[in-house]
Amino acid sequence: GAGVSQSPSNKVTEKGKDVELRCDPISGHTALYWYRQSLGQGLEFLIYFQGNSAPDKSGLPSDRFSAERTGGSVSTLTIQRTQQEDSAVYLCASSSSGLLGVVEQYFGPGTRLTVT
Amino acid sequence: QQQVKQSPQSLIVQKGGIPIINCAYENTAFDYFPWYQQFPGKGPALLIAIRPDVSEKKEGRFTISFNKSAKQFSLHIMDSQPGDSATYFCAARKGTGANNLFFGTGTRLTVIP
Repeated sequence: GAGVSQSPSNKVTEKGKDVELRCDPISGHTALYWYRQSLGQGLEFLIYFQGNSAPDKSGLPSDRFSAERTGGSVSTLTIQRTQQEDSAVYLCASSSSGLLGVVEQYFGPGTRLTVT
Repeated sequence: QQQVKQSPQSLIVQKGGIPIINCAYENTAFDYFPWYQQFPGKGPALLIAIRPDVSEKKEGRFTISFNKSAKQFSLHIMDSQPGDSATYFCAARKGTGANNLFFGTGTRLTVIP
């Protein structure tokens, strides 16, 4: 079946511009995560959506970062006034709600953002 | 503060060798330890995982060894193949919910034919 998809796969933008990154989770998955992967680093948690609950934004590095999830499905991560340190691969993952046991996250291929 | 420490950063082995990647943690609340495999241009994919109540888990050529008292776990790849060349991440999870999955910094493995 279809996995998590992300678009665009690559984005090059000038410093100071705004960018929008899109994530289409696996159909039926209620949980959606955004991570940032910088060169030589592990995955850094950014934000989490679960159903209709308020999102957990505790990982967002600054107020230039925001995300929304419309209709409990597609999510958009927006970075305003991009800076060079925002250059990274942005990964989206989704999972089912899972009332019992471990709930596995399925990752998309990521969007490679380069800020020049 | 890195919750899960992973080493080495990179590893090169000959085909047929047994690369070993090590991870360590401090938080005893972690209750699930997955390993992810990531190929260039792809997202991480679950490879194998273990719970702390067992000391070893094997799936095909991949084995996790877990030492609860030392708070360490490692991935062994038997009879490594060039197709195993990828970046491997260990992770540790506590409970369910939002930011409950903590990743190591990754190991880039290269298997030389």
